[in-house]
Amino acid sequence: GQNIDQPTEMTATEGAIVQINCTYQTSGFNGLFWYQQHAGEAPTFLSYNVLDGLEEKGRFSSFLSRSKGYSYLLLKELQMKDSASYLCAVYGSNDYKLSFGAGTTVTVRA
Amino acid sequence: ETGVTQTPRHLVMGMTNKKSLKCEQHLGHNAMYWYKQSAKKPLELMFVYSLEERVENNSVPSRFSPECPNSSHLFLHLHTLQPEDSALYLCASSQTPGAEQFFGPGTRLTVL
Repeated sequence: GQNIDQPTEMTATEGAIVQINCTYQTSGFNGLFWYQQHAGEAPTFLSYNVLDGLEEKGRFSSFLSRSKGYSYLLLKELQMKDSASYLCAVYGSNDYKLSFGAGTTVTVRA
Repeated sequence: ETGVTQTPRHLVMGMTNKKSLKCEQHLGHNAMYWYKQSAKKPLELMFVYSLEERVENNSVPSRFSPECPNSSHLFLHLHTLQPEDSALYLCASSQTPGAEQFFGPGTRLTVL
């Protein structure tokens, strides 16, 4: 089976940096995604990692280590609108099945 | 706006009712998905269609019946549901299996 673990909740101050960790145990590996989901809305794509290393996209960066089964999403210069749930998801050996973690709820405080 | 629309956005139904959820994607994608999202739980994959053929049924009870009449439309037919089926039902599409998935806004379903 697939197992995706991430913290349940994190709180940070506006302007700060927050790092959300994700560990995974899957049968095979074909890519890792991070999605952002605001309450009552659709998950939206943030980043994709398939090779080891850091992918940077504006204020958001994502890192992958396939040997460790580990990824993190780094949110810099936090803004109030970044308060949301962040979902880690992995394609294992089955390209049809994207397995999700339960999500990390980030609360940004003024 | 992700290019994936779902109707209705909210649905309340009794256990003996029959209803259908509709999903439409305007992205020209070849794969479509149904997910169930319950509070504090990971998104659960229910069904996958690729080129209008069902390729994945993730042990979903038969009271949920999917239909994919063409590559742009996906339905989820519901009958004799249970209160524990209350959840957010999300539709998604991707260009190909294994690619980034684009999600619709979901249907919030309440079964009384």
